[in-house]
Amino acid sequence: GEDVEQSLFLSVREGDSSVINCTYTDSSSTYLYWYKQEPGAGLQLLTYIFSNMDMKQDQRLTVLLNKKDKHLSLRIADTQTGDSAIYFCAERGPSGGYQKVTFGIGTKLQVIP
Amino acid sequence: EAQVTQNPRYLITVTGKKLTVTCSQNMNHEYMSWYRQDPGLGLRQIYYSMNVEVTDKGDVPEGYKVSRKEKRNFPLILESPSPNQTSLYFCASSFGQGRGNTEAFFGQGTRLTVV
Repeated sequence: GEDVEQSLFLSVREGDSSVINCTYTDSSSTYLYWYKQEPGAGLQLLTYIFSNMDMKQDQRLTVLLNKKDKHLSLRIADTQTGDSAIYFCAERGPSGGYQKVTFGIGTKLQVIP
Repeated sequence: EAQVTQNPRYLITVTGKKLTVTCSQNMNHEYMSWYRQDPGLGLRQIYYSMNVEVTDKGDVPEGYKVSRKEKRNFPLILESPSPNQTSLYFCASSFGQGRGNTEAFFGQGTRLTVV
């Protein structure tokens, strides 16, 4: 079945860039997503990328997709303490029929002031 | 305000006592689903529904039931809860297939403890 893998933990200093990585196994993925979960809250969709794109930029967020290697990354520029959260990578696929979303286990980002 | 509302937010119950966690969305979404979140396991899908009266099993459906009698509501039913169902539960909704870059809205979560 589909699998999405992420590292568990990342620590960065305030003002630096953060890069959170994710790998997935489903070659028929249509969309790939990044969600943010703050303590005690539900998941919030941050950004997404369609599988035929290589890059997407949205303000401080840059998503890079290497479809050949099935590797997705989320770069947060000028990381702030408010960015401290758990970040989930997710993929949706295949196209047509039921589009199941599979989540990774989440990467905890700690921002040090 | 567009939202997914779950109730209750916190629940402590005893083994075997039937319970229902409600989920309601106000966005006219076709698709709704339930996930459980456990440490080290991420989110795992329990059940999903592609529209009214259409439900199907996710990855971990054992011990759970759902119903979708109306588009806005998708309750999760635990007929006989057991301690291994202690978890954080999330309901999510989105537009159904054919909507391209659909976005999933998540509820705030229900923390269930079964003793």
